[in-house]
Amino acid sequence: QVQLQESGPGLVKPSGTLSLTCAVSGGSVSNDNWWSWVRQSPGKGLEWIGEIHPSRGPNYNPSLKSRVTMSLDKSKNQFSLSVTSVTAADTAVYYCARNGFYCLYWGQGTLVTVSS
Amino acid sequence: EIVLTQSPDTLSLSPGERATLSCRTSQSVSSNYLAWYQQKPGQAPRLLIYGASNRATGIPDRFSASASGTDFTLTISRLEPEDFGVYYCQQYGGSPLYTFGQGTNLDIK
Repeated sequence: QVQLQESGPGLVKPSGTLSLTCAVSGGSVSNDNWWSWVRQSPGKGLEWIGEIHPSRGPNYNPSLKSRVTMSLDKSKNQFSLSVTSVTAADTAVYYCARNGFYCLYWGQGTLVTVSS
Repeated sequence: EIVLTQSPDTLSLSPGERATLSCRTSQSVSSNYLAWYQQKPGQAPRLLIYGASNRATGIPDRFSASASGTDFTLTISRLEPEDFGVYYCQQYGGSPLYTFGQGTNLDIK
């Protein structure tokens, strides 16, 4: 059973950089899978941020592409998200997930608040 | 962008009743690339259906789904109290690659 766990600061200042990590257990980030980040603003729906593959690189949501970077650390079996120039609109619960055409495994989510 | 429009926004039903949730896509989406999720407060979404009509592992058979053109339907045949929550449809393959519907809030009376 694949398990994912998000970690990172819960509070980020406006114009700063949001950085999160997703630790994977029960599976390897080096395998032929895509790994995604999805966010959910308070009381709102789900927004896909992007995905990364160990050999095919990343794909990003065009609406966020200029501010988002994803990376994968095979030695630590984890992957990461960075969002630059954050505003209050980036306040959300951030989920990491393992996906193909759909997301079968999800982390529990972590709330990131953008505020001074 | 492929837009997914779910209806109704809110559905209030009693245990034992049948629930029918709709998801309409703005462009053609392969049935292979349409999924349904259930989300309860404070929890991550849970995959219910993939490939438009295939139940994920452990999902009870009271959940079923179908597709007709750009219309996708999730049916819960006999509601149980634990079926409350928000239901989302999701497509793969457009730009962005993944988009979700706005959700249907299923409220159990």
